[in-house]
Amino acid sequence: DVKVTQSSRYLVKRTGEKVFLECVQDMDHENMFWYRQDPGLGLRLIYFSYDVKMKEKGDIPEGYSVSREKKERFSLILESASTNQTSMYLCASSYWTSQETQYFGPGTRLLVL
Amino acid sequence: GESVGLHLPTLSVQEGDNSIINCAYSNSASDYFIWYKQESGKGPQFIIDIRSNMDKRQGQRVTVLLNKTVKHLSLQIAATQPGDSAVYFCAENSGRGAQKLVFGQGTRLTINP
Repeated sequence: DVKVTQSSRYLVKRTGEKVFLECVQDMDHENMFWYRQDPGLGLRLIYFSYDVKMKEKGDIPEGYSVSREKKERFSLILESASTNQTSMYLCASSYWTSQETQYFGPGTRLLVL
Repeated sequence: GESVGLHLPTLSVQEGDNSIINCAYSNSASDYFIWYKQESGKGPQFIIDIRSNMDKRQGQRVTVLLNKTVKHLSLQIAATQPGDSAVYFCAENSGRGAQKLVFGQGTRLTINP
């Protein structure tokens, strides 16, 4: 079975803090993705990576950065957390072709106070 | 722009009945579609997928139908069980490249005993 794990299920941070969300997949997938999920807005793509050290902006990259130093690990960084970044963050991974399923992790629910 | 939408935001069915969840898509370049199930507090879980060269695909108790003429996708769940209660949403690859998916807003399926 594909396994995508995220470092934390719940996080509480203060405004202005730097926040790291980690994601690890065990299927040797080339692609990895970070989404946020908000009520009424669905899943929105923040960033994705198609290879080690490669990244591409998604639909809502502002206020975020990412790092992919190893194939299995993809990190999302909130440089200076703000209250409007309170959300559910979901990591996903897939093989590189265009007709491949994305497999999701359990999510990290982040609250920024 | 492209969009993936659902006809109904909520659906209630009796336990044992069949459920049908619908999805409309607008991008004729999409050639791969996925249905996900998301239970409360969890990440989306892959249910079934279909490629555009098919009209129908069956899994265990689930069937996906694709009508490319009217750009419509449906998920049928047979003999609905309490464990089927969740939010279901469709996704399409939308021709955006690098296996980016566009997700629908989701339909909440509630099973009545």
